[in-house]
Amino acid sequence: GAVVSQHPSWVICKSGTSVKIECRSLDFQATTMFWYRQFPKQSLMLMATSNEGSKATYEQGVEKDKFLINHASLTLSTLTVTSAHPEDSSFYICSASFHVGNEQFFGPGTRLTVL
Amino acid sequence: QKEVEQNSGPLSVPEGAIASLNCTYSDRGSQSFFWYRQYSGKSPELIMSIYSNGDKEDGRFTAQLNKASQYVSLLIRDSQPSDSATYLCAVLSGSARQLTFGSGTQLTVLP
Repeated sequence: GAVVSQHPSWVICKSGTSVKIECRSLDFQATTMFWYRQFPKQSLMLMATSNEGSKATYEQGVEKDKFLINHASLTLSTLTVTSAHPEDSSFYICSASFHVGNEQFFGPGTRLTVL
Repeated sequence: QKEVEQNSGPLSVPEGAIASLNCTYSDRGSQSFFWYRQYSGKSPELIMSIYSNGDKEDGRFTAQLNKASQYVSLLIRDSQPSDSATYLCAVLSGSARQLTFGSGTQLTVLP
């Protein structure tokens, strides 16, 4: 149980384009989903927390107009990187939990490379 | 002071030995503590959670929590080369309702 999927697993795009990443909880309903970014040899950095049906809460320094998050259902959240630039190249990982404060189960991650 | 601190390592132990990973945290109101394992290029995988003082054992893994000392540890008995990974300590603080991760400890188990 507690399986989280992400799609795509990797993506290469040109600078200036937008990329959408999907995060799905496959066998449970996730009240809360989280989006993280991880640069090489660094730890996970929380970007935003999203609750189904409400606006995401972004961490300080994360541009909400650049990283659009939609959590339309209890099993799906999407992260759209708008007008991507090479510095946005990173490993993006989502996680989901039954309730805030419970364990988080991570998706397999999406490696984004912006040329 | 970082909220969650771990020795970055690398920590090397021989196969069959006990690996000891340590983590300290700054928020005394923290309630929940987690250990995740992350293989290179992969996302973190939850291996242990602990909520109360003392030890919690699961197979070869033992998590230890001491809230008075603000310290949580992970012991891996009979370490195997497949245990070689980065281990992330994560703490759910009392006030924030999100996990704060340490920078991780890289463990290498030598065959």
